[in-house]
Amino acid sequence: QVQLVESGGGLVKPGGSLRLSCAASGFTFSDSYMSWIRQAPGKGLEWVSTISSGSSYKYDADFVKGRFTISRDNAKNSLFLQVDSLRAEDTAVYYCARDLTVLRGAFTGENAFDIWGQGTMVTVSS
Amino acid sequence: SSELTQDPAVSVALGQTVRITCQGDSLRRYYASWFQQRPGQAPILVIYGKNNRPSGIPDRFSGSTSGNTFSLTITGAQAEDEADYYCHCRDSSGNRRIFGGGTKLTVL
Repeated sequence: QVQLVESGGGLVKPGGSLRLSCAASGFTFSDSYMSWIRQAPGKGLEWVSTISSGSSYKYDADFVKGRFTISRDNAKNSLFLQVDSLRAEDTAVYYCARDLTVLRGAFTGENAFDIWGQGTMVTVSS
Repeated sequence: SSELTQDPAVSVALGQTVRITCQGDSLRRYYASWFQQRPGQAPILVIYGKNNRPSGIPDRFSGSTSGNTFSLTITGAQAEDEADYYCHCRDSSGNRRIFGGGTKLTVL
């Protein structure tokens, strides 16, 4: 069963940190580019970060500005997002997703996310 | 340009055809995709690239591109198609990913 399951969200004070995790199953995680996308309450989708299959390449949205770090552990089929220096505007559901840019090690040219987790909520409030 | 523009809301009568559009300069250069999101649920991919549908997506969903406009057409809209729809692509630099603001589809 193809699945992504996020965890690690919660309530944190401004300036605080969290480590979000995403456990993958049912597909070859180590061949896949992976991304984090977030959605603030009542708002639209916002891309956060993307990491290549072997962690050689990382791409971040401008608002990340060194506060967030994407990483992965292919041996454990896991994706992570370390979120530091949190602000109220970072309050959102954070989704992990498989990125179709590369599939089974081959560049596809596609810009799409075909597998999504159910999301983990991050609330930044004092 | 680093923006994708969508109409905030569109409505369609049950069983009729509706087109949802997304405009942006980067659509001239890169493939794009459409996501459906029902209330309280994670988004799902419904169309990507040159009118590709993932397994399980009904064939009433189709996509097309013309110039700087990427369109999602639902032929014979059903009640369960009522949802928010987001387009997605890269920005003009190619290194960042962007989403449209979303279109709320109401099926009357």
